[in-house]
Amino acid sequence: NAGVTQTPKFRVLKTGQSMTLLCAQDMNHEYMYWYRQDPGMGLRLIHYSVGEGTTAKGEVPDGYNVSRLKKQNFLLGLESAAPSQTSVYFCASTTGTGLKNEQFFGPGTRLTVL
Amino acid sequence: SQQGEEDPQALSIQEGENATMNCSYKTSINNLQWYRQNSGRGLVHLILIRSNEREKHSGRLRVTLDTSKKSSSLLITASRAADTASYFCATAPSGYSTLTFGKGTMLLVSP
Repeated sequence: NAGVTQTPKFRVLKTGQSMTLLCAQDMNHEYMYWYRQDPGMGLRLIHYSVGEGTTAKGEVPDGYNVSRLKKQNFLLGLESAAPSQTSVYFCASTTGTGLKNEQFFGPGTRLTVL
Repeated sequence: SQQGEEDPQALSIQEGENATMNCSYKTSINNLQWYRQNSGRGLVHLILIRSNEREKHSGRLRVTLDTSKKSSSLLITASRAADTASYFCATAPSGYSTLTFGKGTMLLVSP
């Protein structure tokens, strides 16, 4: 039982390049989330999904796209990377909402955009 | 915008001492959660307290919630060097399927 895994762990991009971050969970969770963490800013929600085939915007969605084609996977795409997207990206999942919605986090992807 | 705000931003104590962190939030919530993040790692869930609960314990952790003041506190008793980490509160607003995280408190426990 690996929990939440993220690929890759590190990446350096040049401005304008594209890439996809992969998040996978083996806990059969319905809900999945992508956050970015910047120094002094805490975690900010980028996009999330409440089930296979669904996506929704979070607090800072601009410049990112997501897809949830399979329940266990949640992909975050950067079509044209910008230096402002330099950050640490975390994926999380949870079984549901309401009274028991603690989130399980992946180890993070450290992205640098030059 | 972030709803939870932790206080203090940083806390430095000696092993064996207690550490108290506070969290304030703005809107009504279903529950409030505390997470820990060790340097370079993902967040780990510590404890969840529901809006109808006032206090909850888990090992050396004690969480209180005052919905009238929209605030919560996390107490770590008999701190250890291994407790050195950042601690975040997260609120689950009523009717939403997301969590809103604060900016965190950095705790340093010196041997």
